[in-house]
Amino acid sequence: QSALTQPASVSGSPGQSITISCTGTSSDIGGYNYVSWYQQHPGKAPKLMIYEVSNRPSGVSNRFSGSKSGNTASLSISGLQAEDEADYYCSSYTSSSTRVFGTGTKVTVL
Amino acid sequence: QVHLVQSGTEVKKPGKTGASVKVSCKASGYTFTDYGISWLRQAPGQGLEWMGWISTYSGNTIYAQKLQGRVTMTTDTSTSTAYMEVRSLSSDDTAVYYCARDVNYKFDSWGQGTLVTVSS
Repeated sequence: QSALTQPASVSGSPGQSITISCTGTSSDIGGYNYVSWYQQHPGKAPKLMIYEVSNRPSGVSNRFSGSKSGNTASLSISGLQAEDEADYYCSSYTSSSTRVFGTGTKVTVL
Repeated sequence: QVHLVQSGTEVKKPGKTGASVKVSCKASGYTFTDYGISWLRQAPGQGLEWMGWISTYSGNTIYAQKLQGRVTMTTDTSTSTAYMEVRSLSSDDTAVYYCARDVNYKFDSWGQGTLVTVSS
């Protein structure tokens, strides 16, 4: 199972909006609505930000939103803040009943 | 409040016959057998890798293909603890290992991570 493809880095100024893509196949992202997104600050455990493509867990800011089209999922962050600077990973359920992660995207707030 | 607490840092020597590591993950704040546990790892400076999943209810497991035959996941429901063992360690297994509660294929709570270093 190959990793899902994410851009290595995305940057934006405070207050701007950014979008991170996550591309897989019809055996993972395209086949199921079990796409989730995680935020990881240096030295910390990842934190769930979006699940089942577009749902936010309680306590996660509504500045974070998710979507999917075909084999590509996306995470959008609006009103970018300094605290959003972190690594972001997508994950999907697969046709083999396994889970697969994306390659990771470093978000920089300029 | 869901809480997953993992065992401490491990240092292992590679190449020794049977060199292995076993990491524990003690859960609290919910009914342990209601949700599965996934294990994940992150090598230094690298991304997240899913290692496998165990049903805390039945003990059924699903392992990532690349680790098949080298990893074993178990649980002790009497203590609400999950265990993950990796055998035949090499330097490629140096990583922070995480357990996470797996609820409908999302990881909604994570342990603090356990650093495993494989080095001579």
